[in-house]
Amino acid sequence: AQKVTQAQTEISVVEKEDVTLDCVYETRDTTYYLFWYKQPPSGELVFLIRRNSFDEQNEISGRYSWNFQKSTSSFNFTITASQVVDSAVYFCALRGSGGYNKLIFGAGTRLAVHP
Amino acid sequence: EAGVTQFPSHSVIEKGQTVTLRCDPISGHDNLYWYRRVMGKEIKFLLHFVKESKQDESGMPNNRFLAERTGGTYSTLKVQPAELEDSGVYFCASSPRQGAYNEQFFGPGTRLTVL
Repeated sequence: AQKVTQAQTEISVVEKEDVTLDCVYETRDTTYYLFWYKQPPSGELVFLIRRNSFDEQNEISGRYSWNFQKSTSSFNFTITASQVVDSAVYFCALRGSGGYNKLIFGAGTRLAVHP
Repeated sequence: EAGVTQFPSHSVIEKGQTVTLRCDPISGHDNLYWYRRVMGKEIKFLLHFVKESKQDESGMPNNRFLAERTGGTYSTLKVQPAELEDSGVYFCASSPRQGAYNEQFFGPGTRLTVL
């Protein structure tokens, strides 16, 4: 079975703090893909990153960074120097090599960044 | 380029009524997906079209849900009769090609409330 767990339901930080959103996944596939999406107040899901199971290099994009560790089945997301505009719900998702491409989502983490 | 659009943005109906949700994918995208998020839980896959054919409908909860994609362009998702547990946000996504690598582009969702 495939599953994504985002244990943090809500996180509240003050602007400029660093914050890490946790994502743990389960899959028996050897080839799979992991995603992060952001859902701002406007409602749409905005793609942030895709990572395949053979690429464990961490990635940095501006204030965003992702730490993929197969040994712990985790794909954590860190926002450095958070800003109010980062306030949103963040979803981690998994897509296996079978299953016709459907995404398996976690329950999401609501991040509130206060000025 | 226009993104994925969904109509209506909100719908409030009474139990037993019928509701039809519409999704217009990005032009040229053969793949269209429906997902829903119920009561703040994880976003769950409903079904996947490739052009006008249903590729995977394993997530459809029951026969009260009917999805169509005539002509391989826009899609509709009909709920008849609606029940209280159908309340949630229904997302549509599209992608140009199949394959676990490819990103799915999401619409803003339709918030359905069944009273």
